[in-house]
Amino acid sequence: ILNVEQSPQSLHVQEGDSTNFTCSFPSSNFYALHWYRWETAKSPEALFVMTLNGDEKKKGRISATLNTKEGYSYLYIKGSQPEDSATYLCARRDNYGQNFVFGPGTRLSVLP
Amino acid sequence: EAGVAQSPRYKIIEKRQSVAFWCNPISGHATLYWYQQILGQGPKLLIQFQNNGVVDDSQLPKDRFSAERLKGVDSTLKIQPAKLEDSAVYLCASSPLHSKWGTEAFFGQGTRLTVV
Repeated sequence: ILNVEQSPQSLHVQEGDSTNFTCSFPSSNFYALHWYRWETAKSPEALFVMTLNGDEKKKGRISATLNTKEGYSYLYIKGSQPEDSATYLCARRDNYGQNFVFGPGTRLSVLP
Repeated sequence: EAGVAQSPRYKIIEKRQSVAFWCNPISGHATLYWYQQILGQGPKLLIQFQNNGVVDDSQLPKDRFSAERLKGVDSTLKIQPAKLEDSAVYLCASSPLHSKWGTEAFFGQGTRLTVV
């Protein structure tokens, strides 16, 4: 099992601040990188799926980039709001199967 | 469309007891996953089904865990007997058959198991 790492483990920001997290993963046999948001007592919700080196995706105030050659992805949140408080998970899929290998997540708390 | 349904939402059992979790995936989704998420860690795959066949169960502790997906739809995950370290959130997810552009998985709300 190839490890997927995420940093930071947790962070607290003030409402209105912008923030970003990192997901690093093995670049060999890469197929796709997924970002999920997981709020307490809810289902993990898919944010982005990225497959190509240099991919950039955006949904409202949240965006993500992908570098498959060096094995990392960044997730950005612009103007954080309290409702952004959640754990953000990234997951890597490889060419061999459909399994998602998840990182440990970044727990974000946005303080009003 | 209806999402992935899981039950129960919460379960507290004593060690050495048995427990079962149920999952109903999104209609038409061929692939079903069971993940175990221990506090502070990312979800770890326990078993992956495609229709009613097992694709990957390499990380399933087979001495105590079992899972089935009869008729390729609903699935149950059982732990017998439970240990303290089995305390975790058990997530079920489903996805359509593998597509070239990275089909996402859809998750249920999970079952939070506490073993005391």
